Amino acid sequence: GAVVSQHPSRVICKSGTSVKIECRSLDFQATTMFWYRQFPKQSLMLMATSNEGSKATYEQGVEKDKFLINHASLTLSTLTVTSAHPEDSSFYICSAPTSGGAGDTQYFGPGTRLTVL
Amino acid sequence: GDSVTQMEGPVTLSEEAFLTINCTYTATGYPSLFWYVQYPGEGLQLLLKATKADDKGSNKGFEATYRKETTSFHLEKGSVQVSDSAVYFCALTGLTGGGNKLTFGTGTQLKVEL
Repeated sequence: GAVVSQHPSRVICKSGTSVKIECRSLDFQATTMFWYRQFPKQSLMLMATSNEGSKATYEQGVEKDKFLINHASLTLSTLTVTSAHPEDSSFYICSAPTSGGAGDTQYFGPGTRLTVL
Repeated sequence: GDSVTQMEGPVTLSEEAFLTINCTYTATGYPSLFWYVQYPGEGLQLLLKATKADDKGSNKGFEATYRKETTSFHLEKGSVQVSDSAVYFCALTGLTGGGNKLTFGTGTQLKVEL
Protein backbone atom coordinates (compact mmCIF):
# COMPACT_ATOMS: atom_id res chain seq x y z
CA GLY A 1 0.00 0.00 0.00
CA ALA A 2 0.89 3.66 -0.13
CA VAL A 3 3.36 5.04 2.39
CA VAL A 4 3.16 8.23 4.40
CA SER A 5 6.07 9.28 6.55
CA GLN A 6 6.37 11.80 9.34
CA HIS A 7 9.41 13.51 10.77
CA PRO A 8 10.39 13.67 13.51
CA SER A 9 8.84 10.70 15.25
CA ARG A 10 9.20 12.40 18.59
CA VAL A 11 10.32 15.81 19.73
CA ILE A 12 10.83 17.46 23.09
CA CYS A 13 10.97 21.24 23.23
CA LYS A 14 10.89 24.06 25.70
CA SER A 15 7.81 26.14 26.25
CA GLY A 16 7.67 29.13 23.92
CA THR A 17 9.59 27.55 21.06
CA SER A 18 8.19 26.48 17.69
CA VAL A 19 8.23 22.97 16.33
CA LYS A 20 7.84 21.88 12.71
CA ILE A 21 6.46 18.46 11.80
CA GLU A 22 6.73 17.14 8.25
CA CYS A 23 4.35 14.78 6.52
CA ARG A 24 5.40 13.20 3.23
CA SER A 25 3.66 10.93 0.79
CA LEU A 26 6.49 8.72 -0.42
CA ASP A 27 5.07 6.99 -3.46
CA PHE A 28 2.08 9.03 -4.50
CA GLN A 29 1.02 12.63 -4.87
CA ALA A 30 -1.44 14.13 -2.44
CA THR A 31 -3.23 17.39 -3.19
CA THR A 32 -4.90 17.05 0.18
CA MET A 33 -3.51 15.94 3.50
CA PHE A 34 -5.12 15.89 6.90
CA TRP A 35 -3.67 16.68 10.30
CA TYR A 36 -5.01 15.04 13.45
CA ARG A 37 -4.29 15.26 17.11
CA GLN A 38 -4.68 12.25 19.37
CA PHE A 39 -4.82 12.49 23.13
CA PRO A 40 -3.90 9.49 25.28
CA LYS A 41 -6.49 6.72 25.03
CA GLN A 42 -8.74 8.91 22.93
CA SER A 43 -9.78 9.17 19.34
CA LEU A 44 -8.26 11.27 16.60
CA MET A 45 -9.43 14.84 16.37
CA LEU A 46 -9.19 16.40 12.94
CA MET A 47 -7.35 19.70 13.18
CA ALA A 48 -7.16 20.87 9.60
CA THR A 49 -7.15 19.96 5.95
CA SER A 50 -3.97 20.86 4.12
CA ASN A 51 -4.49 21.86 0.49
CA GLU A 52 -1.69 22.05 -2.03
CA GLY A 53 -1.62 25.48 -3.59
CA SER A 54 -4.13 27.08 -1.27
CA LYS A 55 -4.77 27.86 2.36
CA ALA A 56 -5.45 25.14 4.86
CA THR A 57 -8.96 24.64 6.16
CA TYR A 58 -9.13 24.54 9.94
CA GLU A 59 -11.72 22.80 12.08
CA GLN A 60 -13.75 24.78 14.52
CA GLY A 61 -11.82 25.60 17.66
CA VAL A 62 -8.37 25.09 16.14
CA GLU A 63 -6.21 28.22 16.19
CA LYS A 64 -4.79 28.74 12.72
CA ASP A 65 -2.17 31.19 13.96
CA LYS A 66 -0.88 28.64 16.42
CA PHE A 67 -0.93 25.62 14.14
CA LEU A 68 0.54 26.80 10.85
CA ILE A 69 0.09 24.48 7.91
CA ASN A 70 1.96 24.72 4.65
CA HIS A 71 1.38 22.32 1.77
CA ALA A 72 4.62 23.05 -0.06
CA SER A 73 4.36 20.43 -2.78
CA LEU A 74 2.27 17.47 -3.89
CA THR A 75 4.20 15.24 -1.50
CA LEU A 76 4.86 17.44 1.51
CA SER A 77 2.78 19.15 4.15
CA THR A 78 4.19 20.74 7.29
CA LEU A 79 2.56 21.56 10.60
CA THR A 80 4.31 24.15 12.74
CA VAL A 81 3.26 24.46 16.35
CA THR A 82 4.16 28.04 17.22
CA SER A 83 5.01 29.20 20.72
CA ALA A 84 4.35 25.74 22.06
CA HIS A 85 3.05 25.25 25.58
CA PRO A 86 2.72 22.12 27.71
CA GLU A 87 -0.95 21.79 26.77
CA ASP A 88 0.14 21.34 23.15
CA SER A 89 1.86 18.10 24.11
CA SER A 90 0.15 15.39 22.12
CA PHE A 91 0.45 12.84 19.35
CA TYR A 92 0.13 14.48 15.93
CA ILE A 93 -0.81 12.33 12.96
CA CYS A 94 -1.16 13.14 9.29
CA SER A 95 -2.98 11.25 6.58
CA ALA A 96 -3.37 11.44 2.83
CA PRO A 97 -5.80 9.91 0.35
CA THR A 98 -4.14 8.44 -2.71
CA SER A 99 -6.36 9.88 -5.38
CA GLY A 100 -8.61 12.41 -3.72
CA GLY A 101 -11.77 10.69 -4.77
CA ALA A 102 -14.69 10.46 -2.40
CA GLY A 103 -14.36 7.51 -0.04
CA ASP A 104 -10.78 6.94 -1.10
CA THR A 105 -8.58 5.01 1.30
CA GLN A 106 -6.39 7.22 3.43
CA TYR A 107 -2.93 6.30 4.55
CA PHE A 108 -1.64 7.48 7.85
CA GLY A 109 1.77 8.53 8.95
CA PRO A 110 3.26 6.88 12.04
CA GLY A 111 2.68 10.00 14.11
CA THR A 112 4.85 12.51 15.95
CA ARG A 113 4.96 12.60 19.74
CA LEU A 114 5.38 16.20 20.88
CA THR A 115 6.34 16.91 24.47
CA VAL A 116 6.54 20.53 25.57
CA LEU A 117 8.38 21.11 28.82
CA GLY B 1 -23.00 16.68 11.37
CA ASP B 2 -21.50 13.26 10.82
CA SER B 3 -20.77 11.12 13.85
CA VAL B 4 -19.61 7.62 14.73
CA THR B 5 -20.44 5.77 17.92
CA GLN B 6 -18.60 2.66 18.95
CA MET B 7 -18.72 0.53 22.04
CA GLU B 8 -16.46 1.50 24.87
CA GLY B 9 -13.59 -0.68 25.84
CA PRO B 10 -11.48 -2.20 26.88
CA VAL B 11 -12.73 -5.50 25.56
CA THR B 12 -10.86 -8.44 27.03
CA LEU B 13 -11.14 -11.84 25.37
CA SER B 14 -9.44 -15.17 25.55
CA GLU B 15 -7.60 -16.40 22.50
CA GLU B 16 -9.89 -18.07 19.93
CA ALA B 17 -12.96 -16.27 21.26
CA PHE B 18 -15.46 -14.56 18.97
CA LEU B 19 -15.15 -10.81 18.65
CA THR B 20 -17.79 -8.20 17.96
CA ILE B 21 -17.16 -4.47 18.21
CA ASN B 22 -20.29 -2.47 17.57
CA CYS B 23 -20.27 0.67 15.45
CA THR B 24 -23.17 2.87 14.41
CA TYR B 25 -23.10 6.08 12.47
CA THR B 26 -25.01 9.21 11.59
CA ALA B 27 -24.33 10.82 8.26
CA THR B 28 -25.98 12.60 5.38
CA GLY B 29 -26.24 10.59 2.22
CA TYR B 30 -24.22 7.45 1.70
CA PRO B 31 -20.91 7.53 3.52
CA SER B 32 -18.02 5.15 3.03
CA LEU B 33 -17.26 3.18 6.18
CA PHE B 34 -13.91 2.06 7.52
CA TRP B 35 -12.27 0.16 10.32
CA TYR B 36 -8.75 1.25 11.24
CA VAL B 37 -6.46 -0.54 13.68
CA GLN B 38 -3.71 0.95 15.80
CA TYR B 39 -1.22 -1.49 17.26
CA PRO B 40 0.74 -0.41 20.33
CA GLY B 41 3.29 2.24 19.44
CA GLU B 42 2.28 2.37 15.79
CA GLY B 43 0.22 4.55 13.47
CA LEU B 44 -3.23 3.77 12.14
CA GLN B 45 -3.63 1.13 9.47
CA LEU B 46 -6.65 0.50 7.34
CA LEU B 47 -8.19 -2.84 8.30
CA LEU B 48 -11.17 -2.94 5.97
CA LYS B 49 -13.72 -0.74 4.28
CA ALA B 50 -17.09 -0.76 2.55
CA THR B 51 -18.32 1.92 0.21
CA LYS B 52 -21.97 1.07 -0.31
CA ALA B 53 -24.89 -0.58 1.43
CA ASP B 54 -24.69 -4.37 1.91
CA ASP B 55 -20.99 -4.41 1.01
CA LYS B 56 -18.87 -6.60 3.23
CA GLY B 57 -15.32 -5.57 3.95
CA SER B 58 -12.92 -8.26 5.08
CA ASN B 59 -9.25 -8.61 5.91
CA LYS B 60 -7.12 -10.82 8.16
CA GLY B 61 -10.18 -12.75 9.32
CA PHE B 62 -12.05 -9.58 10.29
CA GLU B 63 -15.36 -8.73 8.63
CA ALA B 64 -17.85 -5.89 8.71
CA THR B 65 -21.04 -5.40 6.69
CA TYR B 66 -22.43 -2.00 5.72
CA ARG B 67 -26.01 -2.03 7.03
CA LYS B 68 -27.85 1.04 5.87
CA GLU B 69 -31.14 0.08 7.50
CA THR B 70 -29.54 -0.02 10.94
CA THR B 71 -26.75 2.50 10.14
CA SER B 72 -24.23 0.04 11.49
CA PHE B 73 -20.83 -1.39 10.56
CA HIS B 74 -20.04 -3.89 13.30
CA LEU B 75 -16.59 -5.51 13.28
CA GLU B 76 -16.42 -9.28 13.79
CA LYS B 77 -13.80 -11.98 13.92
CA GLY B 78 -14.48 -15.62 14.53
CA SER B 79 -11.32 -16.46 16.47
CA VAL B 80 -9.08 -13.76 17.89
CA GLN B 81 -5.39 -14.10 18.54
CA VAL B 82 -3.10 -12.38 21.01
CA SER B 83 -1.61 -10.48 18.07
CA ASP B 84 -5.00 -8.83 17.47
CA SER B 85 -4.59 -6.81 20.65
CA ALA B 86 -4.86 -3.20 19.52
CA VAL B 87 -7.20 -0.22 19.40
CA TYR B 88 -9.86 -0.39 16.71
CA PHE B 89 -11.42 2.74 15.23
CA CYS B 90 -14.61 2.88 13.22
CA ALA B 91 -14.74 5.81 10.81
CA LEU B 92 -16.66 7.26 7.90
CA THR B 93 -16.15 9.72 5.10
CA GLY B 94 -19.20 11.76 4.28
CA LEU B 95 -20.04 14.52 1.90
CA THR B 96 -17.80 17.16 3.50
CA GLY B 97 -14.15 17.67 2.69
CA GLY B 98 -14.54 16.40 -0.84
CA GLY B 99 -15.60 13.04 0.50
CA ASN B 100 -12.30 12.35 2.19
CA LYS B 101 -12.75 13.91 5.59
CA LEU B 102 -12.71 11.08 8.11
CA THR B 103 -14.89 11.15 11.18
CA PHE B 104 -13.69 8.70 13.82
CA GLY B 105 -15.34 6.92 16.66
CA THR B 106 -13.65 7.02 20.05
CA GLY B 107 -11.84 3.73 19.51
CA THR B 108 -12.21 0.40 21.27
CA GLN B 109 -9.24 -1.24 22.90
CA LEU B 110 -9.08 -5.00 22.47
CA LYS B 111 -6.96 -7.16 24.76
CA VAL B 112 -6.59 -10.81 23.89
CA GLU B 113 -5.17 -13.10 26.55
CA LEU B 114 -3.88 -16.65 26.37
